[in-house]
Amino acid sequence: QQQVKQSPQSLIVQKGGISIINCAYENTAFDYFPWYQQFPGKGPALLIAIRPDVSEKKEGRFTISFNKSAKQFSLHIMDSQPGDSATYFCAAKLSGGYNKLIFGAGTRLAVHP
Amino acid sequence: DAGVIQSPRHEVTEMGQEVTLRCKPISGHDYLFWYRQTMMRGLELLIYFNNNVPIDDSGMPEDRFSAKMPNASFSTLKIQPSEPRDSAVYFCASSNHVPGTGNQPQHFGDGTRLSIL
Repeated sequence: QQQVKQSPQSLIVQKGGISIINCAYENTAFDYFPWYQQFPGKGPALLIAIRPDVSEKKEGRFTISFNKSAKQFSLHIMDSQPGDSATYFCAAKLSGGYNKLIFGAGTRLAVHP
Repeated sequence: DAGVIQSPRHEVTEMGQEVTLRCKPISGHDYLFWYRQTMMRGLELLIYFNNNVPIDDSGMPEDRFSAKMPNASFSTLKIQPSEPRDSAVYFCASSNHVPGTGNQPQHFGDGTRLSIL
């Protein structure tokens, strides 16, 4: 019940295309859903995050869409660039208490020129 | 501001040896997390601390693993004795909680790549 399921495992997109990564969860007690971006040799870094009372959040080319009833959320990268090539992790945090995140398995994105 | 600092960046050692990984969190952060990342298992939370106190160590794989946080600016993750299956990248992350300001992100270090031969 504390799992976050992420798909696809890997994704290849042409430059200028839209990259879409999906995550699903079961536990309705999650109250915060961040996305992290990780480049080779680096630690994950927060990209964008959303709370369940919001259906969409956009920051530049990155958008989170959140469907509370379906318990799903997704990351859309518009106008994908080769520099976006990285591994992306969705995550979820249980409400209350401590700042513990449950991470998805990750999606390796490659944007080809 | 300095981010989370981990040392060493790379460690290669032989099976059976003791390994100590170190982490300096961001100053002022009251949460510290240790993660392990492998291709097979992804990013796993091993243990986390709040105000230097271990809160949840359920992710620690075996008794060979131990973690300490003697003060707010330093933590160690120790493996004794080490085994080849412990080979992974180990990350430390820190965050703070400020009441009324909502969720604060976890800031990750660049990790220690551990190879046990």
